[in-house]
Amino acid sequence: EADIYQTPRYLVIGTGKKITLECSQTMGHDKMYWYQQDPGMELHLIHYSYGVNSTEKGDLSSESTVSRIRTEHFPLTLESARPSHTSQYLCASTGLGTPPYFGPGTRLTVT
Amino acid sequence: SQQGEEDPQALSIQEGENATMNCSYKTSINNLQWYRQNSGRGLVHLILIRSNEREKHSGRLRVTLDTSKKSSSLLITASRAADTASYFCATDASNAGKSTFGDGTTLTVKP
Repeated sequence: EADIYQTPRYLVIGTGKKITLECSQTMGHDKMYWYQQDPGMELHLIHYSYGVNSTEKGDLSSESTVSRIRTEHFPLTLESARPSHTSQYLCASTGLGTPPYFGPGTRLTVT
Repeated sequence: SQQGEEDPQALSIQEGENATMNCSYKTSINNLQWYRQNSGRGLVHLILIRSNEREKHSGRLRVTLDTSKKSSSLLITASRAADTASYFCATDASNAGKSTFGDGTTLTVKP
């Protein structure tokens, strides 16, 4: 079944740890995105990719990095987590002429 | 299923005209957001309106919210060719922070 998955759904981690948020989609979409959203606030684009080996920074500056080695996989990595990284991270993908499909999100808390 | 539904699905106007897009939703919300997506790029946040607000302005954009009718409208005045994009409304039904998106309205502004 076509879908977009994110793991983990919830993560509580200490300052300084390295973390990777996983995102996978089974729809064969070329374009994938990472957004950051604080509770009750708007989404902010932090990274996007137009296809394999293509990654770009979004509108909101982020200390995270991404990679796109396979079409279906778009992981986001924080080398050294800080409390300011506490937020919800949403992954999305789009196909040609389709609205964005969002994953369930990862709620990250850095203590 | 999507919470928000945009209407119309597609809109084509001449430069200088006003464009109005509507969004209806099903459940009570804390806020409603409007986003723009240029072809292939990520979502760009336009306006966030909270459930206790009725109208908000930002430049050539005017957003209204009618919680009794569970609907919102986005008005773009004096449209420009650069306004050509897809416009999405998203609702936040809780303060957990994850928004639910509609399918969008595709706006084409002809020069």
